[in-house]
Amino acid sequence: GAVVSQHPSWVICKSGTSVKIECRSLDFQATTMFWYRQFPKQSLMLMATSNEGSKATYEQGVEKDKFLINHASLTLSTLTVTSAHPEDSSFYICSARTGTYNEQFFGPGTRLTVL
Amino acid sequence: DQQVKQNSPSLSVQEGRISILNCDYTNSMFDYFLWYKKYPAEGPTFLISISSIKDKNEDGRFTVFLNKSAKHLSLHIVPSQPGDSAVYFCAASAGTGTYKYIFGTGTRLKVLA
Repeated sequence: GAVVSQHPSWVICKSGTSVKIECRSLDFQATTMFWYRQFPKQSLMLMATSNEGSKATYEQGVEKDKFLINHASLTLSTLTVTSAHPEDSSFYICSARTGTYNEQFFGPGTRLTVL
Repeated sequence: DQQVKQNSPSLSVQEGRISILNCDYTNSMFDYFLWYKKYPAEGPTFLISISSIKDKNEDGRFTVFLNKSAKHLSLHIVPSQPGDSAVYFCAASAGTGTYKYIFGTGTRLKVLA
């Protein structure tokens, strides 16, 4: 149980385009989902926290207009990187938490490369 | 401001021996701590957690120790196996509210056969 999927697993796009990444909890309802990014050989940095049906809470320094998060249902959250630039190239990971446990269950990540 | 630190970027251990990974934190509001294992280009996998009301939690080959006064936790893996080779992250949470995690910088463990 507690499986989280992400789609796509990798994506290459041109600078200036927008990219949508989906995060799904497959066998549980996620009250809260989290979005992280990880640069090579660095830690996972929390970008934002989202609760179903409400606006996401962004961490300091994360542009909410650039990284649009939608948490439309208890099993789906999406991250849209708008007007992507090469510096947005990174590994994006989502996680989901049920209302019962403190543990977050992580997706496999999405590698974004912006040319 | 790195609230969770793993000062050893890498560690090599012989198969069968004990691996000890360390983590320090600065925020006294943290009351829940976790260890995750991560392979390249994959999401982290939960290993073990500990609440601040405990000082030790054990699960098979994995034991986590928490020293609240020193703001220090450690993960012991014994015996270490080659399949344990990965990057290990500690994470801390302030418990109530959003339960968001603050991750450490990671320690790359290499278990030598």
